[in-house]
Amino acid sequence: SAVISQKPSRDICQRGTSLTIQCQVDSQVTMMFWYRQQPGQSLTLIATANQGSEATYESGFVIDKFPISRPNLTFSTLTVSNMSPEDSSIYLCSGRVNTEAFFGQGTRLTVV
Amino acid sequence: KQEVTQIPAALSVPEGENLVLNCSFTDSAIYNLQWFRQDPGKGLTSLLLIQSSQREQTSGRLNASLDKSSGRSTLYIAASQPGDSATYLCAVRLLTGNQFYFGTGTSLTVIP
Repeated sequence: SAVISQKPSRDICQRGTSLTIQCQVDSQVTMMFWYRQQPGQSLTLIATANQGSEATYESGFVIDKFPISRPNLTFSTLTVSNMSPEDSSIYLCSGRVNTEAFFGQGTRLTVV
Repeated sequence: KQEVTQIPAALSVPEGENLVLNCSFTDSAIYNLQWFRQDPGKGLTSLLLIQSSQREQTSGRLNASLDKSSGRSTLYIAASQPGDSATYLCAVRLLTGNQFYFGTGTSLTVIP
């Protein structure tokens, strides 16, 4: 198994600002995934992050809005840039160990 | 594209009852299927992982089954407790690609 520490757990931000979310894994994982969960919805994949290469973004998500860093096999960050109220969601990071997926505790973001 | 559906969307049962949650998926070429629990505003906790070659997995009061040919999985919870109240999500990973496809979840309330 793996434990993923995600922070911050929640934040209230002003529109037009940016927030960086961090995830630290207690073991090495090849790929990390970033998801968004809008109110009342299921999870939508934003991007897949590999060490040493640019993240792969899903349709509807772009690097300028959601830049991702993956400096090593245990750490990743997601930045939500130039925020608007529509970005209010829970953001979750995930990694896999032996094909089983594990998730961070989530970041509840409210943009006002 | 894989579509994952969970029925019912919400379920309320008295404490002590046994219950079944359903998950169906459209593409049977799956790598594995995983059941998660999500408490309000929190991240996901892995409950059970079923590989495509397996028929079921058990952990404590939980039993998950997989019927790949019919595109279905069930999560059986025995002797439900108020602490089981949460949203339960199933997620499917295909043979191709690394993405998980999530269902919309079943919100379970166990009444003391």
